[in-house]
Amino acid sequence: GQQVMQIPQYQHVQEGEDFTTYCNSSTTLSNIQWYKQRPGGHPVFLIQLVKSGEVKKQKRLTFQFGEAKKNSSLHITATQTTDVGTYFCAATGANNLFFGTGTRLTVIP
Amino acid sequence: GAGVSQSPSNKVTEKGKDVELRCDPISGHTALYWYRQSLGQGLEFLIYFQGNSAPDKSGLPSDRFSAERTGGSVSTLTIQRTQQEDSAVYLCASSLEVSGRSSSYEQYFGPGTRLTVT
Repeated sequence: GQQVMQIPQYQHVQEGEDFTTYCNSSTTLSNIQWYKQRPGGHPVFLIQLVKSGEVKKQKRLTFQFGEAKKNSSLHITATQTTDVGTYFCAATGANNLFFGTGTRLTVIP
Repeated sequence: GAGVSQSPSNKVTEKGKDVELRCDPISGHTALYWYRQSLGQGLEFLIYFQGNSAPDKSGLPSDRFSAERTGGSVSTLTIQRTQQEDSAVYLCASSLEVSGRSSSYEQYFGPGTRLTVT
């Protein structure tokens, strides 16, 4: 079945530093979604990317979809303590979304 | 409008007992999903419903797990003869339709049920 790998598994950054998480698939993806889960919370949808090479921005967050539609990245500029949480990518399978393993971000004030 | 709700929020049960977890999806959402998340881990897909039918039950960990959905709305996940390894947070999500290769729909998650098997 569809599998997506995320790296890194954990990331500790100093507040104000940048952060990037990567999502990789061995197969071409129809589209990809990103979710954020705060500690103790549930996943919340952030964005969906559909087109090859697509780039979308949400304030300090930049999402990219690779040209081959096999990888995606989420970049956060100048992290803040409110960015703490686990970021998941999710790829569409035959009838479902397949979630990556997630990257847990810790921001040190 | 109301989001996805789940009950109970916490459940502590003794090994060997049966438990029922409930999910109320967003009104009008035809697709409903169940996931399991162990502490600090990712999301493990269990089962999805399109309307009342569950075409794919392959994600259920064992035959002790079953799920049903009635009236295209409320869903119940039942775990029989619970084991300690069943301890996890069980998350329910709903979306307008089932995601497929032609289109993908945002999933709205409930707060989860934290199950502890002692």
